[in-house]
Amino acid sequence: KNEVEQSPQNLTAQEGEFITINCSYSVGISALHWLQQHPGGGIVSLFMLSSGKKKHGRLIATINIQEKHSSLHITASHPRDSAVYICAVRSRGYGGATNKLIFGTGTLLAVQP
Amino acid sequence: GAVVSQHPSRVICKSGTSVKIECRSLDFQATTMFWYRQFPKKSLMLMATSNEGSKATYEQGVEKDKFLINHASLTLSTLTVTSAHPEDSSFYICSASRAGASNQPQHFGDGTRLSIL
Repeated sequence: KNEVEQSPQNLTAQEGEFITINCSYSVGISALHWLQQHPGGGIVSLFMLSSGKKKHGRLIATINIQEKHSSLHITASHPRDSAVYICAVRSRGYGGATNKLIFGTGTLLAVQP
Repeated sequence: GAVVSQHPSRVICKSGTSVKIECRSLDFQATTMFWYRQFPKKSLMLMATSNEGSKATYEQGVEKDKFLINHASLTLSTLTVTSAHPEDSSFYICSASRAGASNQPQHFGDGTRLSIL
């Protein structure tokens, strides 16, 4: 079993739909990242959070430390949101000072016009 | 915002050659940079942690002599794939975070697509 699990693995949505991607982890963490990877390969860091909720534009990320679960929400989805979304955690066991991450397998999102 | 520059973005070369990939933090200092490898439709696999001024820390199964890492300054780490073979073809990506504090966000380069013929 992976230490970081994401669901769904693949998601197809219609433009305008509200989208939720889930991430569960089994290790103690100091922070959780949501990343976006476009087809060209480059990765953009969307959020880093250790508690509560963060919002940036149409994107919202939440985390429940007790349940070891995080969600990424996209409101009013658009075809340009099509990408792979990756959840990554910084495990306490790895030593927070090194910022080493454990990655989920990603969620491939396709938003159709 | 912080930017990490990775160069080159794409390399095609013959089997047996060595390929150097650079990772630069453009507007911040990074005592630690990370090198990842990504296979098609798979997640990132950490290869090694690059430490400024000291030896890199390699993950289990990664050949140190095959993937040479040098982190000579606070803004530059290089990964050299030595005597590359077709099985080394992959997408390589680096990341870095600001020096001096833990729990900093990581900033990723745009990656290097390496194709060995």
